[in-house]
Amino acid sequence: NAGVMQNPRHLVRRRGQEARLRCSPMKGHSHVYWYRQLPEEGLKFMVYLQKENIIDESGMPKERFSAEFPKEGPSILRIQQVVRGDSAAYFCASSLAGTGVYEQYFGPGTRLTVT
Amino acid sequence: DAKTTQPPSMDCAEGRAANLPCNHSTISGNEYVYWYRQIHSQGPQYIIHGLKNNETNEMASLIITEDRKSSTLILPHATLRDTAVYYCIVNAYGGSQGNLIFGKGTKLSVKP
Repeated sequence: NAGVMQNPRHLVRRRGQEARLRCSPMKGHSHVYWYRQLPEEGLKFMVYLQKENIIDESGMPKERFSAEFPKEGPSILRIQQVVRGDSAAYFCASSLAGTGVYEQYFGPGTRLTVT
Repeated sequence: DAKTTQPPSMDCAEGRAANLPCNHSTISGNEYVYWYRQIHSQGPQYIIHGLKNNETNEMASLIITEDRKSSTLILPHATLRDTAVYYCIVNAYGGSQGNLIFGKGTKLSVKP
């Protein structure tokens, strides 16, 4: 039983480049969540998606960030024109159904470093 | 902001029970209490959750007070590998809001 998978595990980008982070949920899970953890800070929610739908993006920065969860394939978090402040660990989680009763299972994270 | 209050840090001797408290005095009737932990810089790990009744699984026990305003996570025989930041989170059932709100948690240090 594979858990939540994220790739790459480490990503280095220069300022102004694009970063693409991928998340494959656990088998059978159709709900995906993205969180960001800045250095020495707690986890902050970014976005909640179901297949082909964004359910809640209240934590997503208004510019440069976007997320999708297509019918086929992994969920993608895209950061355009990265800046040094985007350096952080990005965690993806998945759940069997809508949150509340159903716990979220987290992946190992992608560590983004912007130089 | 997090709806829970936890002590910032606790120590526990290896092999002893670790009791981690959490206050959630404003919890609503449809909100569950969840516990997660984050070991070093790994992804958070689900531990246990409950609504009203006490719960137990292979990792821990969760004791929720009758008024549901506080709870305690119990690791019955703490090991060095249980050293982590433990997060107590309340989350509603059935809403479209999917996010878990992580506060600062309790940093548990298990000492030999």
